[in-house]
Amino acid sequence: EDQVTQSPEALRLQEGESSSLNCSYTVSGLRGLFWYRQDPGKGPEFLFTLYSAGEEKEKERLKATLTKKESFLHITAPKPEDSATYLCAVQALLPGTQGGSEKLVFGKGTKLTVNP
Amino acid sequence: KAGVTQTPRYLIKTRGQQVTLSCSPISGHRSVSWYQQTPGQGLQFLFEYFSETQRNKGNFPGRFSGRQFSNSRSEMNVSTLELGDSALYLCASSFDPTTPGTEAFFGQGTRLTVV
Repeated sequence: EDQVTQSPEALRLQEGESSSLNCSYTVSGLRGLFWYRQDPGKGPEFLFTLYSAGEEKEKERLKATLTKKESFLHITAPKPEDSATYLCAVQALLPGTQGGSEKLVFGKGTKLTVNP
Repeated sequence: KAGVTQTPRYLIKTRGQQVTLSCSPISGHRSVSWYQQTPGQGLQFLFEYFSETQRNKGNFPGRFSGRQFSNSRSEMNVSTLELGDSALYLCASSFDPTTPGTEAFFGQGTRLTVV
């Protein structure tokens, strides 16, 4: 069964204190790994797509990396506005489907709080 | 470019009732997926529609159903509501999920409370 595990569940940082969030996964036929940011009461906001081991993507203070078994979301010099829940999801090819139909399997998320 | 629109944003229903949620995907997107989000279980896949056909279904009871119209808009229906159905229901649209790495864009969700 496809699984995604994120750690830590919660993380408190001081403004400017860099850190990393982890997403480990087990999936057959990985077709993509996604990072989303979710603010309370809102839908997830797309951040990055990764689908090759060794791939890296950056956006402002965020950098996502991918290996064969896990992905990291590095946050450099975070600011209070980076406080949110960060979700990792994998896109796996479902066996026995037609046309490559797929779904996203999500981790439980990491709740990040950045204090000023 | 308009994003994914979900209506209504909030709903309060009584146990035993049924409810219909609506989702309008991004223009040009043909795939719509539905997810249930609860504090304990996180985001869980309900089903996916592509060109008016349900292609995938998650592990939810038959009380949960959906459909997609020719303009790609989708509706989700939950019959005989239970207290445990209280959740944030999210809709995601994508252009072509058969292409690896195609991102899905989410709406703001419908917060359903069953009392």
